[in-house]
Amino acid sequence: AQSVTQPDIHITVSEGASLELRCNYSYGATPYLFWYVQSPGQGLQLLLKYFSGDTLVQGIKGFEAEFKRSQSSFNLRKPSVHWSDAAEYFCAVVFTGGGNKLTFGTGTQLKVEL
Amino acid sequence: NAGVMQNPRHLVRRRGQEARLRCSPMKGHSHVYWYRQLPEEGLKFMVYLQKENIIDESGMPKERFSAEFPKEGPSILRIQQVVRGDSAAYFCASSSMADTQYFGPGTRLTVL
Repeated sequence: AQSVTQPDIHITVSEGASLELRCNYSYGATPYLFWYVQSPGQGLQLLLKYFSGDTLVQGIKGFEAEFKRSQSSFNLRKPSVHWSDAAEYFCAVVFTGGGNKLTFGTGTQLKVEL
Repeated sequence: NAGVMQNPRHLVRRRGQEARLRCSPMKGHSHVYWYRQLPEEGLKFMVYLQKENIIDESGMPKERFSAEFPKEGPSILRIQQVVRGDSAAYFCASSSMADTQYFGPGTRLTVL
């Protein structure tokens, strides 16, 4: 079955430290991959996306993600976290051939310690 | 360029009433999607519409829920005879083609 897994429900990092949020998917082909961020009481903001091509993609707010086909992963990274990055992060996938609906992971809540 | 607009932002209904949620897509976007975020459950796809057509409603509950996207005006998600379990945040997203979706701020529905 097609699925998206974010294994870390909560992550706490110190401001200025590096960050990596994990995302894995289960699918026989390469899907379209997205990372969204949600601040409390707000909607979802697109951070970055991968459709094809260069497997390292740059997004907004200093985030990047790397697609690794062999590991079915699309991990989100940031070299130095800012307190304003505290939010919930969602990995989302469009499984090609199944319409354009997004399948979301369960989210990772990021807390930033000052 | 205005983003995706949703109204109301907060909606309170008593059990048995109807809830109407509105979504105006980004300018130039003709594809609209509705998602629901239930407490402790994450975001789930409900329905995908283009102007005057439902493309995919595989995530819609079979009863009480309906959606439309008329030729003129916003997309409407309608929930009839609401129950407490319908309390959730409902998000609309839009896209220009069937690709990147941009989300609105959501409507938070509370059923008393």
